[in-house]
Amino acid sequence: QVELLESGPGLVKPSQTLSLTCNVSGDSISNGDYFWSWLRQSPGEGLEWFGYIATGGGTFYNPSLKSRVTIGIDKSKNQLSLSLTSVTVADTAVYYCARCFGRYSACWYFDLWGRGALVTVSS
Amino acid sequence: VLLTQSPGTLSLSLGERATLSCTSSKSINGYLAWYQHKPGQPPRLLVYDTSNRATGIPARFSGSGSGTDYTLTIASLESDDFAVYFCQQRFGWPRTFGQGTKVEV
Repeated sequence: QVELLESGPGLVKPSQTLSLTCNVSGDSISNGDYFWSWLRQSPGEGLEWFGYIATGGGTFYNPSLKSRVTIGIDKSKNQLSLSLTSVTVADTAVYYCARCFGRYSACWYFDLWGRGALVTVSS
Repeated sequence: VLLTQSPGTLSLSLGERATLSCTSSKSINGYLAWYQHKPGQPPRLLVYDTSNRATGIPARFSGSGSGTDYTLTIASLESDDFAVYFCQQRFGWPRTFGQGTKVEV
């Protein structure tokens, strides 16, 4: 079956760039019409969606994070990536990659998730 | 779209019925999903578009609602059902989530 696995540094210093990778196994990341996404959950908060990169290459970013976020896809490695610049302690969270499905070229719901990776922002 | 879930925690026993609520800040036309999340595991999609069960989800999970008020019902709690449940809307951009309801023994 298809599985997602997040990886990256567990500790990032304030003002630095947070970089995470999501490895997709069990199927090609290029297959199907999906919207590959990143989300996070800060302590005591609900989930926050960063946005997506579509299988076809289009992107959408959450306006609240757009200025700091880049989502990428490496089809040769079957990986998804997240880059978040100028981090602060408020960016401490569990970060998830997920696959979003939908119709009419829109991301609707998330049918496949990774287990999450804890990232702490601290000096 | 802001989603508010209640209660924050639901304490129930095996075999009891669980009723979880998700209220949206505006009408979302039934475009709501529910997920189950257990510690250390990936979240799992349970129900989408209010009442459609995702693949492999048992019939004891059901969703209902319209407009701004939505409900996830677990007909008879099994040991595997104690977890956090959260809702998500696809009516507006960005997609947003509720803060979750913990179902505990």
